[in-house]
This record gives sequence, structure tokens and C-alpha cells, in this order.
Amino acid sequence: QVQLQESGPGLVKPSQTLSLTCTVSGGSISSGGYYWSWIRQHPGKGLEWIGYIYYSGSTYYNPSLKSRVTISVDTSKNQFSLKLSSVTAADTAVYYCAREDSQYSSSLDYWGQGTLVTVSS
Amino acid sequence: QSALTQPPSVSGSPGQSVTISCTGTSSDVGSYNRVSWYQQPPGTAPKLMIYEVSNRPSGVPDRFSGSKSGNTASLIISGLQAEDEADYYCSSYTSSSTLVFGGGTKLTVL
Repeated sequence: QVQLQESGPGLVKPSQTLSLTCTVSGGSISSGGYYWSWIRQHPGKGLEWIGYIYYSGSTYYNPSLKSRVTISVDTSKNQFSLKLSSVTAADTAVYYCAREDSQYSSSLDYWGQGTLVTVSS
Repeated sequence: QSALTQPPSVSGSPGQSVTISCTGTSSDVGSYNRVSWYQQPPGTAPKLMIYEVSNRPSGVPDRFSGSKSGNTASLIISGLQAEDEADYYCSSYTSSSTLVFGGGTKLTVL
């Protein structure tokens, strides 16, 4: 059973960079067939896709966030990470990592529990 | 990319059926069968309920079904149960190789 777990600071100051890591267990990121995704949810709002990465390092980002987002992968640690620069209060959200079945359905079949990141001074 | 369009809310009584629509464009829903539906009870992570328009993952009750016509996909929940009360989101693959979500629909079981 694949499991994902987000980790990182719960509080980030405005203008700084938000950094989160997702640790995958029960399966290898390097096995292929899946993109590893970041999604966020503003308080009381809907889901917003941030971007995803393949184990090879290939990435795709939401055009609205592309200028501030970097997603990277560390296959040796079975982890992938999110960096969002120049954050403002509008980036306060619950951040989820998830596995996307890129080979067949583009469905997000396994999700982390989510981590709340608050942007405040 | 613009979010897919879902009704903000739907409701139904136990035992009834409800349909949640998800309207996109020819660059996403209309061009790919890579449409998924997620259920999110309050305070929990989303759960995959439907993939590839109409397929159910193992463990999802067959009361949940999906379909697509043109640029609009639909989630149908039959035999409503109190436990179905949650937010529901659709998603689609896009021609830019990205994903896009719908705005979400709150299902109330009366």
C-alpha cells in the first residue's frame, strides 16, 4: 500500500520561500508510470493543482504559479519536494502531495494527509 | 487554465439519486477520457471515486458511476446514503499536459 507524507514548516513569513517534502513509502518513485503531484486547498475553498514531476525530473506546472514554483525529486530518498517563492498570505493553504497515474488515467490515486502552511509575519 | 465548472451545491434525500456535472472545454474534458472524481468529507484528504470517466477503484460502491458527453462529465450517485455527504471534485487532463480541477460541489443528504 502506497503512502505519502508531507513535511515542512507550518509557518512561513511573507516574501520567503515555502518548502515542503513528500516522503513516499510502499512503492518506489523510480518505478515509473506515475507523476508525483502537489495540490493545495485554500481554507474553505476548492482544490488547486500546483504541478507534478516524473522520476526522471520532467515537470509540469500550473501556468498561474509557474513563475514561483519548483518541484524536484530525490529518488535515493524516495522523496519529492515543492518550493514556492515570494509567498504572500494568499498562499496560506493545506498542501497535499499525491500520486498521479500518468500512464492510463491521470487520476490521483494516493494522497498524503495534507499539511497546513500559514503565511504570516 | 480555467477551472472546470461544477454546481456549488446539490442535495437529495436518502435513497434518491443525484447528478453532479463538470463542464470543461475541448482542451480538457472534451478531448480526453482522463476525467476523475474525488470525494472529500470535511477535514480529510480527497479520495478517488471515479477514474477514466466511469471506472471505479476497488472498494468504491457501485452506487457511484460516471459518464461524459462532449465537454461535460457527470458523477451520478444513486441510493443516496448519509455517509455520501461531502464535497466532490472533478479533474481532467489537459492539452498542456497539466491537470485542472473543478470548483467543487457540496452534496447535502437531506
